[in-house]
Amino acid sequence: AQSVAQPEDQVNVAEGNPLTVKCTYSVSGNPYLFWYVQYPNRGLQFLLKYITGDNLVKGSYGFEAEFNKSQTSFHLKKPSALVSDSALYFCAVPGNFNKFYFGSGTKLNVKP
Amino acid sequence: KAGVTQTPRYLIKTRGQQVTLSCSPISGHRSVSWYQQTPGQGLQFLFEYFSETQRNKGNFPGRFSGRQFSNSRSEMNVSTLELGDSALYLCASRKITRGENTEAFFGQGTRLTVV
Repeated sequence: AQSVAQPEDQVNVAEGNPLTVKCTYSVSGNPYLFWYVQYPNRGLQFLLKYITGDNLVKGSYGFEAEFNKSQTSFHLKKPSALVSDSALYFCAVPGNFNKFYFGSGTKLNVKP
Repeated sequence: KAGVTQTPRYLIKTRGQQVTLSCSPISGHRSVSWYQQTPGQGLQFLFEYFSETQRNKGNFPGRFSGRQFSNSRSEMNVSTLELGDSALYLCASRKITRGENTEAFFGQGTRLTVV
């Protein structure tokens, strides 16, 4: 069975500091992993995905994610946080027939 | 290129009524899936349609139903509304390409409030 877990409900970081939003996964077969962001009262926006290849994946808005097979993790990172990065972040893994399994979400608060 | 369009954006309904939500996927995307998002339960999968066929269904009561038309547009219907059905309903479209794990694109959602 496919699943992802986001151990932190909330992450607080000061503007300009690096940020990390954590995700661990449990999948059968090759892992395909996604990150999405959601702003208030909006749908989910795709940030990046890991399929195969480089363990460091670069995505939109300066975000990147590090795939670690030994730790079964796919943490989202950004070198320098912006106040506008404050949002809800979801990691996800695809299942059968276009179904995605989402984590519980992590609220990122970036303070000026 | 137009994104995923969901209508209406906001709805207020009374308990016992029924509601229909609409989703127009990105042109060329034949797979449409629906999710319910609530603060307590997070994102929960409702169902997925591909070429007018429901291929996958989540763990929701029969009051929740959907369909897909030949132009890939999809509707979901909730009958006999309950207070607990208040949620943001999200539609996602995806281009299904054999051998490739593509991302899903989401609409802005329909905020349903049941009073």
